[in-house]
Amino acid sequence: KNQVEQSPQSLIILEGKNCTLQCNYTVSPFSNLRWYKQDTGRGPVSLTIMTFSENTKSNGRYTATLDADTKQSSLHITASQLSDSASYICVVSLFRDYKLSFGAGTTVTVRA
Amino acid sequence: EPEVTQTPSHQVTQMGQEVILRCVPISNHLYFYWYRQILGQKVEFLVSFYNNEISEKSEIFDDQFSVERPDGSNFTLKIRSTKLEDSAMYFCASSEERGDSYNEQFFGPGTRLTVL
Repeated sequence: KNQVEQSPQSLIILEGKNCTLQCNYTVSPFSNLRWYKQDTGRGPVSLTIMTFSENTKSNGRYTATLDADTKQSSLHITASQLSDSASYICVVSLFRDYKLSFGAGTTVTVRA
Repeated sequence: EPEVTQTPSHQVTQMGQEVILRCVPISNHLYFYWYRQILGQKVEFLVSFYNNEISEKSEIFDDQFSVERPDGSNFTLKIRSTKLEDSAMYFCASSEERGDSYNEQFFGPGTRLTVL
């Protein structure tokens, strides 16, 4: 079964600090991997999209990495801000598929 | 910036009633999707729609569910006879290309469905 697993489930960081979120997937055949940010009660918003040939992708203070050999990805948040408090979801797409497969997300809480 | 819109934002209904959730995808997009998220759980794919027909659906999308693009701009999800377990946030999404493409899916703000 295609799976997308994320860790940790939640974390709390102080404003200005960095953090790294992890994603492991068993989805196959793999097409691309996305990281979404979801604020409470809102729809997911795309942060990055990477294909198997891309190792890293940045979007402002967000940097995603991908190792297609080990099927692992990470999302690094630099110099966190209070507005970064949200759920961060790893999402994988299969080749020749219409749908996206979502992880359960990591809830990040940034405190002043 | 164009965005996906959904109405209503919150729908409360009695078990057994029919509900229609409405979405207006981004105007030049060709692929449309419905997802749901039960409180505290991950987002789950329901159905994708392309060229006026269902292109893929999940096991969740049973005979109680249907989708329609009635007028070229709206995209609706109908649940014929709601059950308590249908209570969830329902997200509509749209994209220019298929999900496996290097192409973003834009999500709407969601409709929170509460079945009593």
